Amino acid sequence: ETGVTQTPRHLVMGMTNKKSLKCEQHLGHNAMYWYKQSAKKPLELMFVYNFKEQTENNSVPSRFSPECPNSSHLFLHLHTLQPEDSALYLCASSQAHIQYFGAGTRLSVL
Amino acid sequence: GNSVTQMEGPVTLSEEAFLTINCTYTATGYPSLFWYVQYPGEGLQLLLKATKADDKGSNKGFEATYRKETTSFHLEKGSVQVSDSAVYFCALSEVGQGGSEKLVFGKGTKLTVNP
Repeated sequence: ETGVTQTPRHLVMGMTNKKSLKCEQHLGHNAMYWYKQSAKKPLELMFVYNFKEQTENNSVPSRFSPECPNSSHLFLHLHTLQPEDSALYLCASSQAHIQYFGAGTRLSVL
Repeated sequence: GNSVTQMEGPVTLSEEAFLTINCTYTATGYPSLFWYVQYPGEGLQLLLKATKADDKGSNKGFEATYRKETTSFHLEKGSVQVSDSAVYFCALSEVGQGGSEKLVFGKGTKLTVNP
């Protein structure tokens, strides 16, 4: 148990659906991250939030829309996804260089 | 930019064998270095870290030493167990846009330990 909780753990969606991934941490950390982990590819950093402000967007397509309403919660809103977006989406929070990861949401886009 | 290169896997060992997973880095300055482990069906978790040259990080029988002269941070364990089967990621810290802390990860090395 890392203190970072992601829901749902598994999600299947069609290309026309809209869904949201949720991440929650009660570690008192001020930085939160979204990563994409695909088979046979390196871990890809998507977004970084620091004190609720987005500080980094690594050229992520607009069909992924993050939201950070407070330092404890991070969302990733999904719409009109493509099959190649199927992956494990990991959330992390950090303090003093150490990142704490959730277990991830396994997303399948049909 | 900064980067991390770790040995390609997969690595398959028998129980009680010696493990080395090589990791080298390219960075400006002196970043902190990390090894993370990902067990099946889980997220990444910190295995060990070192914050300055010649530091040795250790945890659960794993060790890695921060070598500035060879820009390396190789992971070692003297006697692996079946329960060590996982994917291992080497990483370094850097400061990104807006002053946020970031990690740069290697591609990961899958380890399988057979009984």
